Amino acid sequence: QKEVEQNSGPLSVPEGAIASLNCTYSDRGSQSFFWYRQYSGKSPELIMSIYSNGDKEDGRFTAQLNKASQYVSLLIRDSQPSDSATYLCAVNDYNNNDMRFGAGTRLTVKP
Amino acid sequence: NAGVTQTPKFQVLKTGQSMTLQCAQDMNHNSMYWYRQDPGMGLRLIYYSASEGTTDKGEVPNGYNVSRLNKREFSLRLESAAPSQTSVYFCASPDRTNTGELFFGEGSRLTVL
Repeated sequence: QKEVEQNSGPLSVPEGAIASLNCTYSDRGSQSFFWYRQYSGKSPELIMSIYSNGDKEDGRFTAQLNKASQYVSLLIRDSQPSDSATYLCAVNDYNNNDMRFGAGTRLTVKP
Repeated sequence: NAGVTQTPKFQVLKTGQSMTLQCAQDMNHNSMYWYRQDPGMGLRLIYYSASEGTTDKGEVPNGYNVSRLNKREFSLRLESAAPSQTSVYFCASPDRTNTGELFFGEGSRLTVL
């Protein structure tokens, strides 16, 4: 069984702080890694994708991937109340058409 | 450009009733997926279609059937709805030529009484 694990939270941080979200996965054949943001009652939207070990930065967001440890994380710098949402980690074994999602971490940014 | 469109957005069924969720994408993608989302369990894959004319079971296929009518459309059918199928259903389509990003429909909230 291919598993993607996330802390369900809730994670609460003050406005302006760094929010750190973590994800582990069980399938060593995984090739693509994604972070989606989902506001309450809405569909998930992609915020970051990462395919190789190391860091990838996009504005206030940084994704980190460590395939040896089977670990992927998302850092949100200068957190804003508008970042309050559930963050879903997704892992894809491209060859098997199998995008697996974690249960999500609910983040609250307090003004 | 609508992306992924699914209908209906809301539906209430009685146990044993049947219904079909419709999904269409206008991005010319080959693959289409159906997920369900339950509290605390994330998104779970029900069925997927890698290309027109093909369908395969995902993680939780029991109680569902699918039809890939053409490249644009992928429907999900509940033949005899059960309360355990109360969930939010998402249709999605991946961009395999670029990032692999999944594009989601707006979701269909189904309640089975």
